[in-house]
Amino acid sequence: GESVGLHLPTLSVQEGDNSIINCAYSNSASDYFIWYKQESGKGPQFIIDIRSNMDKRQGQRVTVLLNKTVKHLSLQIAATQPGDSAVYFCAETSSGGYNKLIFGAGTRLAVHP
Amino acid sequence: NAGVTQTPKFQVLKTGQSMTLQCAQDMNHNSMYWYRQDPGMGLRLIYYSASEGTTDKGEVPNGYNVSRLNKREFSLRLESAAPSQTSVYFCASSARGLGTGELFFGEGSRLTVL
Repeated sequence: GESVGLHLPTLSVQEGDNSIINCAYSNSASDYFIWYKQESGKGPQFIIDIRSNMDKRQGQRVTVLLNKTVKHLSLQIAATQPGDSAVYFCAETSSGGYNKLIFGAGTRLAVHP
Repeated sequence: NAGVTQTPKFQVLKTGQSMTLQCAQDMNHNSMYWYRQDPGMGLRLIYYSASEGTTDKGEVPNGYNVSRLNKREFSLRLESAAPSQTSVYFCASSARGLGTGELFFGEGSRLTVL
């Protein structure tokens, strides 16, 4: 089984509902933020990114919101599907910083039919 | 497309044994990375290689060594495995540095040290 997901906060949603996954980042100097999705038994996959000169960025069914005042990042998934079930990680870094990509602990999203 | 390939996928070691995790990418990326993932702690950077011929320590390098064999391959070696090194290891690559674009991850190598 997948041991990585133990002890993670879990968000449970009904299929078709919108999901909001939250992340508090730690470094006020961070200026680049990324969301990754990790399905069971697989490596993380890039979902969407945002730079600190933006408050919002939209992709296909996903929106990332950045609130620099309170150092908060959120990922919104519209019309959540069973295939969205995974662990979601936010990550922060300073531009060009090779060794400073800091990952959060992750949130498990469970989608119920 | 293969992307990032890691071997082995699973390994069980006894304390004190050595082993090498292999990683190869076919995307012509300059930068490669090794992360470990432990429950509740997210991913932590062990070592990285910004370009062929260079390697640098990340957040948790103790007990590990790396080799950037060529542009495609980046290996991680445990010289004397310890139970604290039980983890899931991920190799990743990127076209540029961490602050400038996405990482592409392999599927992970699950290591247990008894």
